Amino acid sequence: GAGVSQSPSNKVTEKGKDVELRCDPISGHTALYWYRQRLGQGLEFLIYFQGNSAPDKSGLPSDRFSAERTGESVSTLTIQRTQQEDSAVYLCASTDPSPYTQYFGPGTRLTVL
Amino acid sequence: EDQVTQSPEALRLQEGESSSLNCSYTVSGLRGLFWYRQDPGKGPEFLFTLYSAGEEKEKERLKATLTKKESFLHITAPKPEDSATYLCAVQASRSGGYQKVTFGTGTKLQVIP
Repeated sequence: GAGVSQSPSNKVTEKGKDVELRCDPISGHTALYWYRQRLGQGLEFLIYFQGNSAPDKSGLPSDRFSAERTGESVSTLTIQRTQQEDSAVYLCASTDPSPYTQYFGPGTRLTVL
Repeated sequence: EDQVTQSPEALRLQEGESSSLNCSYTVSGLRGLFWYRQDPGKGPEFLFTLYSAGEEKEKERLKATLTKKESFLHITAPKPEDSATYLCAVQASRSGGYQKVTFGTGTKLQVIP
């Protein structure tokens, strides 16, 4: 079946520009997580959605970061006024409610020049 | 605060040389412990879920075990294609039905032919 898709796969932007990253989860998965992974580092939690509400936004690094989700479908992560330290791979995980298994997308590699 | 610690950070094995990776955790209300494999440039790939102490799961050359404080991923007679970063994560229930997932930083395994 279809897995998790993310777009774009690569994004190069200039410092100060806004970017929007998209995640299409697996149908029927109500929970969705966003993570950031810097080069050679572990997964850094950003935000968790249950349906279209976000019970935990504690991982968002600053108010330049925001995310939304449409129903139990597509989610977008928006970074405003990008900085060089935002360069990383952004991963989305669609979560099977039972058992609670996360299925990851291929990620979006963001490079801020 | 939930904590997941993986060791060693990196492991280099000769092909056929069996070894174990460790994942120590501190979490209240553990619902599940997960192992993932991550290849360079890709999102993590689900391997196993363990729910209770004493449980074991096997897949090809990999076997995961769980105690009340840690999990081990045993690799028997590894092959070069087993080279990857192995991630451990724990799931815990929080108020309101929120499922918190915490990842370790991973063990980078290299298997030399």
